[in-house]
Amino acid sequence: NAGVTQTPKFQVLKTGQSMTLQCAQDMNHEYMSWYRQDPGMGLRLIHYSVGAGITDQGEVPNGYNVSRSTTEDFPLRLLSAAPSQTSVYFCASSYETDTEAFFGQGTRLTVV
Amino acid sequence: AQKVTQAQTEISVVEKEDVTLDCVYETRDTTYYLFWYKQPPSGELVFLIRRNSFDEQNEISGRYSWNFQKSTSSFNFTITASQVVDSAVYFCALAGGKLIFGQGTELSVKP
Repeated sequence: NAGVTQTPKFQVLKTGQSMTLQCAQDMNHEYMSWYRQDPGMGLRLIHYSVGAGITDQGEVPNGYNVSRSTTEDFPLRLLSAAPSQTSVYFCASSYETDTEAFFGQGTRLTVV
Repeated sequence: AQKVTQAQTEISVVEKEDVTLDCVYETRDTTYYLFWYKQPPSGELVFLIRRNSFDEQNEISGRYSWNFQKSTSSFNFTITASQVVDSAVYFCALAGGKLIFGQGTELSVKP
């Protein structure tokens, strides 16, 4: 049972570089989301999706893009990385919005 | 708009003390769900409990208990006889269309 798989676990980027954080789940969950965790700020919602082809903005969407072409995958794209995007990123999935969320192991991203 | 507030940033207790973590939420929805998650030092997020807005009964699970009061928009979490293994960051969350988390409370239990 893989659950929610996030890759990579660690990444260092230079300012201005782009990258994609991958997230895949094998539980046939409809709801998927991305969060960033910063000290003292808790988990802040970046983008979320209630099903394939549907995405919406969360609390802190600026600088990030998402797409949901399949039920299983929900990649997060940083088009032009900035030091303010240094954070730990978590992907989560759940059967529905209001059911238990399962989280990936997190990606620690540093932008220099 | 949805909002979750955990006013206690850090709490430090000595083992065997009882400790209560506060959670206050805001929502215009009449139907919503509340959650608590635990993040131990290893970093993963662990689900603890889910309650819906129509069920105000207190819940007890071993040393853990939860008090949901709709009148004060609070969903507090109490650990009885705390242990060192309870040291973690605890998050309260609210689901109503999307899942929103509070800022988290870092609990340190000292031997």
